[in-house]
Amino acid sequence: DTEVTQTPKHLVMGMTNKKSLKCEQHMGHRAMYWYKQKAKKPPELMFVYSYEKLSINESVPSRFSPECPNSSLLNLHLHALQPEDSALYLCASSHAGTFHTEAFFGQGTRLTVV
Amino acid sequence: SQQGEEDPQALSIQEGENATMNCSYKTSINNLQWYRQNSGRGLVHLILIRSNEREKHSGRLRVTLDTSKKSSSLLITASRAADTASYFCATDRRGSQGNLIFGKGTKLSVKP
Repeated sequence: DTEVTQTPKHLVMGMTNKKSLKCEQHMGHRAMYWYKQKAKKPPELMFVYSYEKLSINESVPSRFSPECPNSSLLNLHLHALQPEDSALYLCASSHAGTFHTEAFFGQGTRLTVV
Repeated sequence: SQQGEEDPQALSIQEGENATMNCSYKTSINNLQWYRQNSGRGLVHLILIRSNEREKHSGRLRVTLDTSKKSSSLLITASRAADTASYFCATDRRGSQGNLIFGKGTKLSVKP
């Protein structure tokens, strides 16, 4: 199984809502990532978890809150988002503890904030 | 922040032709990777070239890396309509594991 599964595929939320994005992998990867991608732009790294611990936070606003409950799951909790947060949110995973490893990406959640 | 810069930003070719995309980066790297993205969905890993390698092949893909010029190229030979996608180079930050910084990407269109 070389899949990273993200749910939901699409999400529309109001600025006062609280929602969560979910990501799951069963490849035994101990590094997991959240990326944000705006239209016609490259993915931008948001968070990195390594061995279930947050290792990198790329100065992301606190309205985005990541969580890694176990080695297979990664969540992104959303609260009080702004319309400019509308984007494709991509989860990825890879082996940890090595420089030369490919990342496996999910299909993304397309988020619209209204 | 973006590390890699691809050119061209867009490339349109006929089926059967070769497509070449270039990527430049700014800092020292452990490796450089190329990814493909169809229609704004998930990215698919194509190939990884380590900083001590100069050339690598995988099927119809050929990647070169010139660390002295901080640049890489991706060649797709005998292109097919199914190769139509956006292609991104990605570098890791030296000293930081598995933490990819993507270039701006090249949008490739292959006409049947």
